[in-house]
Amino acid sequence: AQSVTQPDIHITVSEGASLELRCNYSYGATPYLFWYVQSPGQGLQLLLKYFSGDTLVQGIKGFEAEFKRSQSSFNLRKPSVHWSDAAEYFCAVGGSLGGNKLVFGAGTILRVKS
Amino acid sequence: GAGVSQSPRYKVAKRGQDVALRCDPISGHVSLFWYQQALGQGPEFLTYFQNEAQLDKSGLPSDRFSAERTGGSVSTLKIQRTQQEDSAVYLCASSPGGGFVYEQFFGPGTRLTVL
Repeated sequence: AQSVTQPDIHITVSEGASLELRCNYSYGATPYLFWYVQSPGQGLQLLLKYFSGDTLVQGIKGFEAEFKRSQSSFNLRKPSVHWSDAAEYFCAVGGSLGGNKLVFGAGTILRVKS
Repeated sequence: GAGVSQSPRYKVAKRGQDVALRCDPISGHVSLFWYQQALGQGPEFLTYFQNEAQLDKSGLPSDRFSAERTGGSVSTLKIQRTQQEDSAVYLCASSPGGGFVYEQFFGPGTRLTVL
């Protein structure tokens, strides 16, 4: 079965601190991995994606993620969080097993303390 | 340019009513997806169109749900005889082509509340 687990429902970090959001996936073939951000009243916006090659991928807004096949993980990181990063973050997986659909995790809500 | 738009943004229905939710994808986008996002959950796939063809409807939860895409552009998700468990945000996404190499662009969603 295809699934994504985001273990942290809520995370609070101080502005300027580093951030890591965890994502673990289960997929029976080569996975394509994505991170999306959702702000209140806004649609999901793609932050970054991993298809193949370099396991450290850079995205928009200063985010990066590292694919670790041995750990079935694709954690999202940012060295210094800004107040505007407060939002909900979703990890998603897709690939040859599921047609073109994405399977999303339940999301992690990020709160930024000033 | 214009992104994906959805209407209405909010819909309140009494149990048993039929509803129709509209999605206007980005012009020229070949692929169109519908997802359902329940409160506190991530989006769940409902159905996928490539142009007018509905290639995957494996995520539709019951035969009360149907979708169409006329002229390979605008899409409508219809829910008949709504139930309380249908309350959710319905997200539409479009992409320029088939396959994951193409980014899915999401609309703001329609929040459906069934009383």
